[in-house]
Amino acid sequence: QKEVEQNSGPLSVPEGAIASLNCTYSDRGSQSFFWYRQYSGKSPELIMFIYSNGDKEDGRFTAQLNKASQYVSLLIRDSQPSDSATYLCAVNSGLTGYSSASKIIFGSGTRLSIRP
Amino acid sequence: DTGVSQDPRHKITKRGQNVTFRCDPISEHNRLYWYRQTLGQGPEFLTYFQNEAQLEKSRLLSDRFSAERPKGSFSTLEIQRTEQGDSAMYLCASSLGLGGSYNEQFFGPGTRLTVL
Repeated sequence: QKEVEQNSGPLSVPEGAIASLNCTYSDRGSQSFFWYRQYSGKSPELIMFIYSNGDKEDGRFTAQLNKASQYVSLLIRDSQPSDSATYLCAVNSGLTGYSSASKIIFGSGTRLSIRP
Repeated sequence: DTGVSQDPRHKITKRGQNVTFRCDPISEHNRLYWYRQTLGQGPEFLTYFQNEAQLEKSRLLSDRFSAERPKGSFSTLEIQRTEQGDSAMYLCASSLGLGGSYNEQFFGPGTRLTVL
């Protein structure tokens, strides 16, 4: 079992709709969770992080965390063509989330395509 | 530009040659990470530093790979006797590493290595 699992996609969503990206992780001790966006040929760009159960909103993006189910999701509202990219879920496997120095484990990413 | 920088951006080498990459983190960040990414995969952790101390190294990393961060600022990653399987994007990231941080990591543009 992979430590961080994502559906590779591609996920095709019409412009203006909500895109929903999902991620599961295996380490129950994981404390902080990240979503990165990566355009083709570019490096990952941090767009959201979350560490408490529930929802966290930032503009058109909402991250959702359910530690009991070991599940993280990212919702993108009012999807735009510029949102077309690969979205990487990443998990900090440190002993403690606060000021943790441990590595981040990435999933393989979900390719999102917004169709006009 | 106060982001993470990497040099060179592209490197083509012949099998068996040594290569060295450089990473300059965000100036106030004391943690520095190296990752490798191949097509269709998420970044794979290689090693990380807190200041000048190398705190963790991936078990997947062969002894042909070595990294340094001698003064706790920039870091170098050297690959000796390169193999075609070393062809990948090598990514550097940095994080604040102080109280109040959940280890949000910010990536540089990457160095794309091609081994012929």
